[in-house]
Amino acid sequence: DSGVTQTPKHLITATGQRVTLRCSPRSGDLSVYWYQQSLDQGLQFLIQYYNGEERAKGNILERFSAQQFPDLHSELNLSSLELGDSALYFCASSVGTSGAGTGELFFGEGSRLTVL
Amino acid sequence: GDSVTQMEGPVTLSEEAFLTINCTYTATGYPSLFWYVQYPGEGLQLLLKATKADDKGSNKGFEATYRKETTSFHLEKGSVQVSDSAVYFCALNRGTGRRALTFGSGTRLQVQP
Repeated sequence: DSGVTQTPKHLITATGQRVTLRCSPRSGDLSVYWYQQSLDQGLQFLIQYYNGEERAKGNILERFSAQQFPDLHSELNLSSLELGDSALYFCASSVGTSGAGTGELFFGEGSRLTVL
Repeated sequence: GDSVTQMEGPVTLSEEAFLTINCTYTATGYPSLFWYVQYPGEGLQLLLKATKADDKGSNKGFEATYRKETTSFHLEKGSVQVSDSAVYFCALNRGTGRRALTFGSGTRLQVQP
């Protein structure tokens, strides 16, 4: 158990809808990272938050947004969903902003989104 | 931009066979290199890492050597077990100013008894 909790584990919805994925980082971790894993692609970095502030942005669509709350949990909001958004969404956490520099990212089990 | 290329899977081996999973990378500067493993139904876990050229990372019988001249970080294990069946991801990070890991597409390993 990595200590990172993601909910829901599975989600099925229709095109055009909006969903929210939730992540609770390990106790004491200040950084949260979101990654997307599609069937034919590797893990694509979406966005990072550190202590409530956005710190780095990757290949995140404008239809997607995220935030980190004062209790350090994070939510990833996906709107106007398309079939191509079907993927496994991972959250990871680390102690600080340098977490990725040492490789010590702790991953949740992922949220599998299916858009029909 | 940065990229990581891994060999296509699945890789199917018999128990006690030798394992190699190839990984090559493209990045400027001197990235740190990592192998993560994802067991069925679980999240990714850091398996091993190397932060500079010629470093060898090792853990749980797995090894990988950072080869800057060939921009490679191949994963090896001398004798695989059924419990090693998982998806293996190679990743890199260019360090200061880059906070996210760049991952390869993953290689599924299936070990048969």
